[in-house]
Parts: sequence; C-alpha cells; structure tokens
Amino acid sequence: AQSVAQPEDQVNVAEGNPLTVKCTYSVSGNPYLFWYVQYPNRGLQFLLKYITGDNLVKGSYGFEAEFNKSQTSFHLKKPSALVSDSALYFCAVRDINGNNRLAFGKGNQVVVIP
Amino acid sequence: DADVTQTPRNRITKTGKRIMLECSQTKGHDRMYWYRQDPGLGLRLIYYSFDVKDINKGEISDGYSVSRQAQAKFSLSLESAIPNQTALYFCATSETGTGYTDTQYFGPGTRLTVL
Repeated sequence: AQSVAQPEDQVNVAEGNPLTVKCTYSVSGNPYLFWYVQYPNRGLQFLLKYITGDNLVKGSYGFEAEFNKSQTSFHLKKPSALVSDSALYFCAVRDINGNNRLAFGKGNQVVVIP
Repeated sequence: DADVTQTPRNRITKTGKRIMLECSQTKGHDRMYWYRQDPGLGLRLIYYSFDVKDINKGEISDGYSVSRQAQAKFSLSLESAIPNQTALYFCATSETGTGYTDTQYFGPGTRLTVL
C-alpha cells in the first residue's frame, strides 16, 4: 500500500528565508504526488501536483516541489517565506496502478517568524 | 472551497447518540470521500464513493456508515458515538474521466466532540 512520510513535526523559518517542507513516499508503481495546505479553521486547499513530465512542479502562492524518483521524495519549497505561509502542510501520494486511494502524511506545521 | 459544503460545522454530542454529518457539492464530481483528521495522524479515509451505487470502506470504517443520496450528497453517520470519535471530519470530492488524476477538493470540515 502507498504511504507518505513527513519527518518533521514543525518547521520554523524566518520571514524572507527559503522554506522547505520534506516528504518521502512509498508506492509499488508510479506515483501521483500532491501537496495540500490547511490554514487555521479551514479545509485543505490543493497547492500542486506531480503527475508526469518535468520534475519541478510549480503551484499556487509561489510554491514549487521537486519530484526525485531515486530518492522517492517530493519536497515542497518556496524561495522567500511570508508570515501568511504559516499553516499545516500535507503531502499525499496515489499509486496510479493500484487502488484509487490517496494516502496522506501526518502533516507539517510551518511557522514563519516575522 | 465553497463548492463543497459541510453541515454542521461544529457539533457537541454525548456518548451513544446517533449523529449524521452531511456533505454537498456543486462541482459535478462523481467521487466523494469522508476523512477524519486527528493531531499528529494526518487524514485517514473513512469511506469513499465513486458514484451513487459504488461505496467502499476506507482504512477506518468501523463505527461509521455512509449514504450517497445523490451525486451531489454524501452523508456520514455515527450510529452510536463514542469519545474517541472526537475529531475534525472532512468531506472531499474528485472527478473521473480520461486523464483524471484524483485531485481532491475539500469542504471546510466539521468539528465533532463526543462527551
């Protein structure tokens, strides 16, 4: 079965500094990979996805993620963090050849310090 | 996402009570899902439905049941609520068809507390 690991519980970063949120995945076949963000008292919002093609995927709010097949990783990045980026971030994976279920990681709390 | 609505947004109930959480969507998607979110555990899938006649158990379906009344409506029931069902519940939808990727769109959530 597919699974996702988000190794850090919380990521603290100063405003203006680069932000990285780590994600590694496990699937039996080729993956579809997703990042979602959850702001306080809100549902999850789709940020970006990797399906195929270019390993660098650009998404909403200036975020991007890089698919690395050899390291089975899909880290989320933003060159310059904003205080408004403080939120809970979830990585998710789906095995395109398996069942249709998305497996979510436990989430990473990002705190951007002014 | 206003296209996916959940009612109620907050609910406090007592052990043993029957509770129904409702989800409606105007996105025209065939697929609907119910998840629960617990701190440190991420989202776990309770049930999912690929169309009105296709309902499937997720990873934590015990103690829950669902009803897909129409393409746009998917309800989650707790027949006899217990305290460890206290959680944040999310409904989500996704589309099918050629080239679909199962990008899911989430409702705002229902915070359920079972005393």
